[in-house]
Amino acid sequence: KAGVTQTPRYLIKTRGQQVTLSCSPISGHRSVSWYQQTPGQGLQFLFEYFSETQRNKGNFPGRFSGRQFSNSRSEMNVSTLELGDSALYLCASRGSGFSTDTQYFGPGTRLTVL
Amino acid sequence: QKEVEQNSGPLSVPEGAIASLNCTYSDRVSQSFFWYRQYSGKSPELIMSIYSNGDKEDGRFTAQLNKASQYVSLLIRDSQPSDSATYLCAVNAANTGNQFYFGTGTSLTVIP
Repeated sequence: KAGVTQTPRYLIKTRGQQVTLSCSPISGHRSVSWYQQTPGQGLQFLFEYFSETQRNKGNFPGRFSGRQFSNSRSEMNVSTLELGDSALYLCASRGSGFSTDTQYFGPGTRLTVL
Repeated sequence: QKEVEQNSGPLSVPEGAIASLNCTYSDRVSQSFFWYRQYSGKSPELIMSIYSNGDKEDGRFTAQLNKASQYVSLLIRDSQPSDSATYLCAVNAANTGNQFYFGTGTSLTVIP
């Protein structure tokens, strides 16, 4: 099976712009989670989508949004970018979303905000 | 609010030694526990999962779970320089929408 894929891998934006990141889960996986990782904060949970519905949400401002499509692919959008949004954005997928399911991570998208 | 705590390290061990990584969690209803390894600049990769009290071995890795004491540990035997990475502990519970909660990670350096 192919793993989790994320596009683009690298992105450079300027403050005030918006950005859309894409994630394709492992085939058959219905749950997609998004995380932000910075050196100082570690892995911070953004949100999780399961069967096109947001199931869990972390403590991020409304500038961060996401959606999931019927084929389980997910997109994350960040509007009005700030310097502090520079981070590695990771997507992770798992099968049915039960507690025993393992999350598998994609390679990440490295976002730099100038 | 669930909390997962790990010693940030850095933890240094000589090549061939046993590295011991520890993780404690605050929520007694946590059901599933995972260890991930993350190399610098890369994404986390799963090492092991454990769901029941006791030990689970996979090659050089052994995960230990003690739900009564709310801790989970990872032992790496015969440590190799290639084991140098950050190790992330994650817990999951069905009563909170199966959300994963991650610790901040422990940095391990294996000295040749």
